[in-house]
Amino acid sequence: GESVGLHLPTLSVQEGDNSIINCAYSNSASDYFIWYKQESGKGPQFIIDIRSNMDKRQGQRVTVLLNKTVKHLSLQIAATQPGDSAVYFCAETSGGYNKLIFGAGTRLAVHP
Amino acid sequence: ETGVTQSPTHLIKTRGQQVTLRCSSQSGHNTVSWYQQALGQGPQFIFQYYREEENGRGNFPPRFSGLQFPNYSSELNVNALELDDSALYLCASSLSGSPYSDTQYFGPGTRLTVL
Repeated sequence: GESVGLHLPTLSVQEGDNSIINCAYSNSASDYFIWYKQESGKGPQFIIDIRSNMDKRQGQRVTVLLNKTVKHLSLQIAATQPGDSAVYFCAETSGGYNKLIFGAGTRLAVHP
Repeated sequence: ETGVTQSPTHLIKTRGQQVTLRCSSQSGHNTVSWYQQALGQGPQFIFQYYREEENGRGNFPPRFSGLQFPNYSSELNVNALELDDSALYLCASSLSGSPYSDTQYFGPGTRLTVL
């Protein structure tokens, strides 16, 4: 299949390590943030979301941190596995209107 | 799997032609959004439909148009295709009606190539 994110920044990690993917968002009025995972040839897959009234949210092996002061979002993946290899996008939206604004994306490469 | 399906998977057209892409939303979802994803970039918002009416539009020309049907399936139509329209076209469905933005679930996309 075609490759997603040919020239994206790449984070390389060893299997079993923790991964941290960072994202700077653009709109201080954004009130809802989502992380998506996109594998080659597929559509974005929802991972975890967070609303602006929170600064941390945990899921299964994933944690999202939100710092509204500096407009920064991060995704932490614990015990990274080869199946986590993909391109990760953060997305923001505001005001109850569902227009998602996507960040540039980061490729995560997990090595055995 | 998100329950959102798109057809066709791949499509090849020539410059100047017209194309229709189709999307079937997740059951119970009343909102569909369409995005264009160029190679190596994040998806860009085209427009959104809520209860069969356009509910917002991104920075795309009028030759990009859409429809949403009573069963919440939808179409994206592009007229007078240009080479730069070559991209992955994604639809995403969500359930709107609350004061907050709702999670959008994406389909697998349609890869359009314009020659």
